[in-house]
Amino acid sequence: ELKVEQNPLFLSMQEGKNYTIYCNYSTTSDRLYWYRQDPGKSLESLFVLLSNGAVKQEGRLMASLDTKARLSTLHITAAVHDLSATYFCAVDMVRGNLIFGKGTKLSVKP
Amino acid sequence: EPEVTQTPSHQVTQMGQEVILRCVPISNHLYFYWYRQILGQKVEFLVSFYNNEISEKSEIFDDQFSVERPDGSNFTLKIRSTKLEDSAMYFCASHNARGGTGELFFGEGSRLTVL
Repeated sequence: ELKVEQNPLFLSMQEGKNYTIYCNYSTTSDRLYWYRQDPGKSLESLFVLLSNGAVKQEGRLMASLDTKARLSTLHITAAVHDLSATYFCAVDMVRGNLIFGKGTKLSVKP
Repeated sequence: EPEVTQTPSHQVTQMGQEVILRCVPISNHLYFYWYRQILGQKVEFLVSFYNNEISEKSEIFDDQFSVERPDGSNFTLKIRSTKLEDSAMYFCASHNARGGTGELFFGEGSRLTVL
C-alpha cells in the first residue's frame, strides 16, 4: 500500500523567510502533484512533476522530485501572507488515482 | 478557461436519504473521478471512471455508492442511504490522458452534511 507522508503538518512562518515542505512516498511512481487548498475551497494545481530530477518554479514556490529517494520538496522563498493555505502533495498510483499526503497547513505572519 | 463544475455546492440531508451529486467534467476529458475530504482531513480517492465503466474504486466506495454518466456530459455520484460519516466535501475531477501532463483538474466541491 502506498503511503505518502508530508512534514511538517503545521508551519508558521514569518514573512520574508524561506522554508521547505517535504513529501516522502513509499513505492515507485512517475508522477507527483502539488496542490494548494484555501479554507473551504477546492484544490488548485501548483505543479506536476513527471520525472526524476524535475524542478519547477512558479513565483515564490519551487518544487522538485527525486524518484530514487522517493522524495519531493516544495520550497518557499521569501514568504508572503498570500501564501497562507494548506499544501498537499499527491502521488499518482494508477492514472488519476492519487494518494494524498495529510497536507501542510502554512501560516505566514507579518 | 475550461473548468469542472459541480452541483449542488452544499446539500443537507437526513440520515438514510439518497443523495446525488452532479459534475460536469471538462468537455474533452476522458477520465473522471470522485474524491472526498472529511473536514480537516486529507483528500481520499473514491472511484475512477473511463469508457462508461468504473476503472478503479477504493475501499470507501462500497455498495452504497454508485456512479454513472447518464448523458455524455454529466457525471454523477449517488449515495443510496446516507450515513453520518458520509458528511464530507466531495470533489469531482477529470483529466485527458491523451497528451498533456495528465494533470487532474478538480471542481469546487459539493459539501454534504448528513444529520
